[in-house]
Amino acid sequence: ETGVTQTPRHLVMGMTNKKSLKCEQHLGHNAMYWYKQSAKKPLELMFVYNFKEQTENNSVPSRFSPECPNSSHLFLHLHTLQPEDSALYLCASSTWTSGMATQYFGPGTRLLVL
Amino acid sequence: AQKITQTQPGMFVQEKEAVTLDCTYDTSDPSYGLFWYKQPSSGEMIFLIYQGSYDQQNATEGRYSLNFQKARKSANLVISASQLGDSAMYFCAMREAGGERALRDDKIIFGKGTRLHILP
Repeated sequence: ETGVTQTPRHLVMGMTNKKSLKCEQHLGHNAMYWYKQSAKKPLELMFVYNFKEQTENNSVPSRFSPECPNSSHLFLHLHTLQPEDSALYLCASSTWTSGMATQYFGPGTRLLVL
Repeated sequence: AQKITQTQPGMFVQEKEAVTLDCTYDTSDPSYGLFWYKQPSSGEMIFLIYQGSYDQQNATEGRYSLNFQKARKSANLVISASQLGDSAMYFCAMREAGGERALRDDKIIFGKGTRLHILP
């Protein structure tokens, strides 16, 4: 399944930089997600958007700012990050139902904060 | 308490042998779904197989099957005739229906994963 794309695939940034991660899904889904995957830790859900509205903010620091302009696009704006924010950031999408919709993931952005 | 437990941090298996990756889960919700994902070194999380809590039969998808034992709260992934390309991290995950909460609280909870190495 290659219906979810993420750019850039790799990103190196300083702690004072501002950058944005982009996610786009071509599956006609209406829910999108940001996950953080750090080394040796379980996948952590960061944000959930359902029909462009944020329905979940899993206690994420304000230096991470999501934006969902429409059901196909999701951004993660980054500013004044810390080295411990270095991780793989995964975007996913699914059909929003009360049932068991499968989440499909993008290839991820590997972020290194110096 | 962990909702998803994968007890095998790493496994080494000879090519062409069958592999069983363990997963146990914890939920009081009668309606839930269980997923397995594969993550190669490239990082992409690839959906493999899904099992619903009310499904009568074990899910199968090609070489993948899910050994669902509801009473034991176990959802092991079985890979038949393993191949070198199966080397990857494998994650078990669960989604709870949660009634009204599900309309607002759409979460999949992931286990810590099992790193599978297929040996030639």
